[in-house]
Amino acid sequence: GDKVKQSPSALSLQEGTNSALRCNFSIAATTVQWFLQNPRGSLMNLFYLVPGTKENGRLKSAFDSKESYSTLHIRDAQLEDSGTYFCAAEGESNYQLIWGSGTKLIIKP
Amino acid sequence: EAGVTQSPRYAVLQEGQAVSFWCDPISGHDTLYWYQQPRDQGPQLLVYFRDEAVIDNSQLPSDRFSAVRPKGTNSTLKIQSAKQGDTATYLCASSFPGATQYFGPGTRLLVL
Repeated sequence: GDKVKQSPSALSLQEGTNSALRCNFSIAATTVQWFLQNPRGSLMNLFYLVPGTKENGRLKSAFDSKESYSTLHIRDAQLEDSGTYFCAAEGESNYQLIWGSGTKLIIKP
Repeated sequence: EAGVTQSPRYAVLQEGQAVSFWCDPISGHDTLYWYQQPRDQGPQLLVYFRDEAVIDNSQLPSDRFSAVRPKGTNSTLKIQSAKQGDTATYLCASSFPGATQYFGPGTRLLVL
């Protein structure tokens, strides 16, 4: 099965609303990274997390290593937030990232 | 500070042709990754380096793919005899060990 499972796979929101994306891990994740791939294909790093939370503007992310999940909250969604959000976890043995399959987010005006 | 650069940005090949992709990582990053991203899927690691050494190439199709990073800076990924199934975006990323990965813009490959 998937070692990093993302949900939902797709989401459509009105501008100005809030959303929550989730990753569940079946591996012993030590760190988590969240990325946004915009419609042009560029991958941008949003967060690098050890267990705990981080906040950056309208984005907030949490990583709970004991319960094996991570979340990404988007507040007051804007059109430019559209794209595919990936989470990726690093295991205990090396620096490889294991990627989820992504959440495709569409923000509508 | 310059980001990760890749070239070419696009490539179109017939099956059986060879192609090389080039990556210039962020200055000072000792770890460099090559990923393959098929359409509508997440990135899949092909190979990664620490300086000039290959750390893991277990996902690299060794009969047709090769990757080098001879001086521990720039890297080249080569496909010897492309197949239609190789159609994907090839992404290069760099980082310090165990830190945030920064991605280049990718090379979109179409094999006809």
